[in-house]
Amino acid sequence: GQQLNQSPQSMFIQEGEDVSMNCTSSSIFNTWLWYKQDPGEGPVLLIALYKAGELTSNGRLTAQFGITRKDSFLNISASIPSDVGIYFCAGPATQGGSEKLVFGKGTKLTVNP
Amino acid sequence: NAGVTQTPKFRILKIGQSMTLQCTQDMNHNYMYWYRQDPGMGLKLIYYSVGAGITDKGEVPNGYNVSRSTTEDFPLRLELAAPSQTSVYFCASSYSNGPRTQYFGPGTRLLVL
Repeated sequence: GQQLNQSPQSMFIQEGEDVSMNCTSSSIFNTWLWYKQDPGEGPVLLIALYKAGELTSNGRLTAQFGITRKDSFLNISASIPSDVGIYFCAGPATQGGSEKLVFGKGTKLTVNP
Repeated sequence: NAGVTQTPKFRILKIGQSMTLQCTQDMNHNYMYWYRQDPGMGLKLIYYSVGAGITDKGEVPNGYNVSRSTTEDFPLRLELAAPSQTSVYFCASSYSNGPRTQYFGPGTRLLVL
């Protein structure tokens, strides 16, 4: 089935630094979603991308839908301690006639004050 | 709107015991999902439902059962708990149209000893 590969697996950064992470697939996706999971909570949708080449921002977060439709990038500028969490990429995949979301394994972000 | 709610937040079970994880959404979403999240493994789909009375298996359905008698509720049943079912369980829901952007509950942490 379709799989999403996220990198890096984890990041340790200083407060104020910028962060970049990406998500790649061997197959084409028509939608890319980025979720953040705070410790002890469920994932929360950050950004949704619907078109190849699209660049979308949500505050200090910017995500891009890769031109090849096989990758997506998430950038966080001027990180703050509350950015700590796990960031997941996801995309819809059709399996058995139904559409379901496929998730990457996540990038765990630690921000040192 | 409360969104997606899950109960209980945390539970310890003995091997062989049974329990039901409750999930309710008040957004009138047709689609509902159950995932389990193991450390470093991302989210794996257990079961999903496209509407009341309709359920289907996901990636890891063994050892679980679901039912969907109403639009709002999607309980997950463990009949004979095993240590391999120790995990964090997330319920999610989405609209039936569009890219299936999913909204997650806060999770149920289950420990099987």
